[in-house]
Amino acid sequence: DIQMTQSPSSLSASVGDRVTITCRASQGIANYLAWFQQKPGKAPKSLIYAASSLQSGVPPRFSGSESGTEFTLTISNLQPEDSATYYCQQYNDFPLTFGGGTKVEIK
Amino acid sequence: QVQLVESGGGVVQPGRSLRLSCAASGFTFSRSGMHWVRQAPGKGLEWLAFIAYDGTNKKYAESAKGRFTISRDNSKNTLDVQMNSLTTDDTAVYYCARVKSGTYWGIDYWGQGTRVTVSS
Repeated sequence: DIQMTQSPSSLSASVGDRVTITCRASQGIANYLAWFQQKPGKAPKSLIYAASSLQSGVPPRFSGSESGTEFTLTISNLQPEDSATYYCQQYNDFPLTFGGGTKVEIK
Repeated sequence: QVQLVESGGGVVQPGRSLRLSCAASGFTFSRSGMHWVRQAPGKGLEWLAFIAYDGTNKKYAESAKGRFTISRDNSKNTLDVQMNSLTTDDTAVYYCARVKSGTYWGIDYWGQGTRVTVSS
């Protein structure tokens, strides 16, 4: 199975800050990497697919990038509504696997 | 708009079975692969199963193999998962999710989830 190692597990930042979350795959997954946002008690919401493509309706302050097996989700100009847990997921091969999640808190 | 509505959750005793359903609307269901994903209380997301648009290809997580069966009825726009021999470890919120067109197995839309509690 492909392991997805996500870091940090939590972070606290201020409104307007730039936040970066990293996900490392245990083997090559091309760009078959997605990012999801989940707020407490809610279903996940899809943010990014193919490592850097925004899902429809997602604000452009969210962006994704890749470098080999390392993938990054960046939130520019952090907003209060961005307080949530973020997950990466590889869909290069079955079983699909998720990172452990990063909880983003607004100071 | 795309809507996925899960149902069938509840409280079930260990060893018993449960069937979850996902009603799809707002898109051409018969052209979309679908997934089931679950989330145990306070834990992360766990992928469970995938079914191709026509039902011919199915994949399972190790935790689901032999106990869970994913199926679909394209005439009714519904996705199901039959869960047998349930244990307390199966306690979770279960989500259905749509495969985004052109991404092989990537997800774009999620249902709101249905809660399953396995307890005696």
